[in-house]
Amino acid sequence: GENVEQHPSTLSVQEGDSAVIKCTYSDSASNYFPWYKQELGKRPQLIIDIRSNVGEKKDQRIAVTLNKTAKHFSLHITETQPEDSAVYFCAATGGGGADGLTFGKGTHLIIQP
Amino acid sequence: NAGVMQNPRHLVRRRGQEARLRCSPMKGHSHVYWYRQLPEEGLKFMVYLQKENIIDESGMPKERFSAEFPKEGPSILRIQQVVRGDSAAYFCASSPPRGNTGELFFGEGSRLTVL
Repeated sequence: GENVEQHPSTLSVQEGDSAVIKCTYSDSASNYFPWYKQELGKRPQLIIDIRSNVGEKKDQRIAVTLNKTAKHFSLHITETQPEDSAVYFCAATGGGGADGLTFGKGTHLIIQP
Repeated sequence: NAGVMQNPRHLVRRRGQEARLRCSPMKGHSHVYWYRQLPEEGLKFMVYLQKENIIDESGMPKERFSAEFPKEGPSILRIQQVVRGDSAAYFCASSPPRGNTGELFFGEGSRLTVL
C-alpha cells in the first residue's frame, strides 16, 4: 500500500517568513495530493490540493508543488501569520480503498511573533 | 448544509467496556471513512464504507473492532472490550459518490478515553 513520509515534524519560523513542508510517497499510481490543516482540538480541514496532471498550484499565500518523477510534493506558506500555527498533514491517494487517503504524520508549525 | 456529525464528542470507558462511535455523513455523501489519531500522531486509516458495504477494512485491528454503515442511520464504529491503548481521537470523514474531487470532509472527532 501507499506510504507517506512527512518532514519536518516541527517547524518554527518568524512571523512574516516562509515555511516549507515536504512529503514523499511510495505508490506511483497515486494521483491526488491534498494538504490538511488541523488546529488544536479541531477537525482537519483541506487547505489546498493538487492532482498529478499539474506541477504547481497556488492560492494566495499557500502553494503546493509536485514532482511525480521523484514522488515528492511540498507545501509553501509565504508571509506567515500567527493564525497559520497548526498541525499540517499531507496525504496521497492509496492505502485506504479506491478513494481513501494515506496521511503523513504531520508537521507542527509554530509562528514566532 | 450540516457538515459531518460525530457523537459523542467525548467518551470515557473503563477497561473491558464497549465503545460506540457514531458518524452521520454530509448530505449527499455516500462514502464514509474512519481514521484514528493518537496524540502527536497522524491520521491512520481504519475502514472505508459505503451504504451497507465495507469496501476496505485493511486498517482495522483484527479483533474487537467493527464498523457498519446501514441503509438507514449513521455509520457506527464499535470497539469491544476496550483497553487503554484504544484511547485516541476517532475521526469520521465523508465524500460524495465516485467522480468527486477526492476531498474528504471530516467531522469534529470523538475522543475516547479508557480508564
